[in-house]
Amino acid sequence: QQQVKQSPQSLIVQKGGISIINCAYENTAFDYFPWYQQFPGKGPALLIAIRPDVSEKKEGRFTISFNKSAKQFSLHIMDSQPGDSATYFCAARGGSNYKLTFGKGTLLTVNP
Amino acid sequence: NAGVTQTPKFQVLKTGQSMTLQCAQDMNHNSMYWYRQDPGMGLRLIYYSASEGTTDKGEVPNGYNVSRLNKREFSLRLESAAPSQTSVYFCASRSGTGGLGQYFGPGTRLTVT
Repeated sequence: QQQVKQSPQSLIVQKGGISIINCAYENTAFDYFPWYQQFPGKGPALLIAIRPDVSEKKEGRFTISFNKSAKQFSLHIMDSQPGDSATYFCAARGGSNYKLTFGKGTLLTVNP
Repeated sequence: NAGVTQTPKFQVLKTGQSMTLQCAQDMNHNSMYWYRQDPGMGLRLIYYSASEGTTDKGEVPNGYNVSRLNKREFSLRLESAAPSQTSVYFCASRSGTGGLGQYFGPGTRLTVT
């Protein structure tokens, strides 16, 4: 039972373009939605996160858009750069002890 | 500040062998987690420890045991390794005092033949 569905599995964007990754969740008890960035051979690193009482959060070129009624949230990367090429995971926190449920990941390639 | 450290970085085991993956954090975090990452599967929680002295099962605990040795260290043990346990293992920690984000270590790549 996958509680967080992430799409697309892979994404190719030209330098300067906008990268958009989408996630949908089922459990309305989730109360925190982080995105993680992972480079090959490294551990995931927290990129940006949002709580469900906010519809949008922006940090530099990275924006999370959150739609509580649709139970969806997305990551937008503006002015995408080759250095943004990585795997991105969305996640949702719920239940006891702040456990995270992760999406399956999106491999982003930004071509120069 | 090293953050979250894991040893070893790589390991090859034969089926039936045992080993312990070590994890330590120097951020004074209360909660620690073990995940496994498999291609196309995302990260799946194996075990976690909400605070020193407590451990609990995650999504995929079968074949694993854990020990929260002290506040800093959280180890993962494979008693009898199986090829299905070939994976990359990540340890993570979280503050627990209002801290929301989990901070991950660099991972251990384990191959069971």
